[in-house]
Order: sequence, then C-alpha cells, then structure tokens
Amino acid sequence: ETGVTQSPTHLIKTRGQQVTLRCSSQSGHNTVSWYQQALGQGPQFIFQYYREEENGRGNFPPRFSGLQFPNYSSELNVNALELDDSALYLCASSLKLAGVTDTQYFGPGTRLTVL
Amino acid sequence: AQTVTQSQPEMSVQEAETVTLSCTYDTSESDYYLFWYKQPPSRQMILVIRQEAYKQQNATENRFSVNFQKAAKSFSLKISDSQLGDAAMYFCAYRDLYDKVIFGPGTSLSVIP
Repeated sequence: ETGVTQSPTHLIKTRGQQVTLRCSSQSGHNTVSWYQQALGQGPQFIFQYYREEENGRGNFPPRFSGLQFPNYSSELNVNALELDDSALYLCASSLKLAGVTDTQYFGPGTRLTVL
Repeated sequence: AQTVTQSQPEMSVQEAETVTLSCTYDTSESDYYLFWYKQPPSRQMILVIRQEAYKQQNATENRFSVNFQKAAKSFSLKISDSQLGDAAMYFCAYRDLYDKVIFGPGTSLSVIP
C-alpha cells in the first residue's frame, strides 16, 4: 500500500457525459500526476499538478482538465466523454523539493467505462 | 521525443530461477531517471527499482537488480530466485527532468511452480 487513494474504484458513464475522478496524495507529497492506461498498454501521462498549478501535460485534448487543492489532493475532469476514454486512470503522488522530484507512488486506479 | 521499448511482450521463468527483462529507450537528454514498475492483476502499480542516469553503479533492491548501459540506452531488470508473487506485468519507465514519464508497453511475467 502506497498511501495514495483514488475514488471511485469503478465508474460507468455514457458518451457525451462528464466525469470527475479524485485522488488523495500520500502524506508529505506535494505533486500529483495523472495517467491513462488503456487495456493491455502502458500508462500514458496526462498531466502533473504542483502547487495547485498544471506543471506539464501529455498529448491529451483540453477536455481533460484537472485541479489540485491546498491539501495536495487532486481531481481529473473529463468532458464530452468518448468511447476511447474507457481506461484505467491512475494517479501518482511525489515530493518535489528545490526543483527535484522524488519517486512517484501510484494509487490503485479508477476503472472508467464509457458506453 | 523520448520513447521506451520493451521487446518481450511475455516471459516465463521457473520458480527459484533467474530472469532478465529487457528495456531500451531513446532520448537526447543526459540527465534523467529510469524505473521498473510491477503491476499485478490487482492493478496497483508498485515501484520495483529506480536508477539515476548520472550514477554509474547499477541499482539493486534485494532480489532485483538492473543492468544500466547509458551509451547503449539499455536498462534491463534481473530478478533472482523468482517467486510466485513476482508474476505480474512489468513496465519500464523513463522520466525526464521536467517530470514527464514515458512508460514502455510492458512485459507479462509468468512464474512456473
């Protein structure tokens, strides 16, 4: 167990809907990254949040957005859901100090199914 | 753009034997980090081992060790004395200094009793 928690565990939505996924970072960590893992593939980096601001983004459209709160927890929001958004969504927390980021620790993930 | 390749989609090993998983990557950077993560069927991604590119010494964590060849851009994982609990998907990952992480496609490891 890493101390990183995610909710919900599973979620079913229909195409066009919006979804919010939540992540609580490990105690002492100030950085959260989100990943999308399609079935049978490696995770793909969506974006990272540090000090409540987006701090790097992968090749994902603007309908993927996020927030980080003062307690360093984070949300991933996806608008206008598409069938291809069906995946396991992982968040990972880490500690960034003086510009150097320590190892990321992953949560158990949220399985999103879009029908 | 950085890429990570794992050329072995599936591997198997006899319990108590040694297995090596391959990983190559492409980057123009000189400073970066490399990781091996394990993802069992429970889907929790677990850190196995980490290597800083500026360190010449290969990282070791108990039964897990790496062979880091910076010039060849190779980062293989050796698992010694394989155990049934080692069965999982193993992902090689590259992280640049801007914290962007690129994962390989994974290697599914089976452990035969």
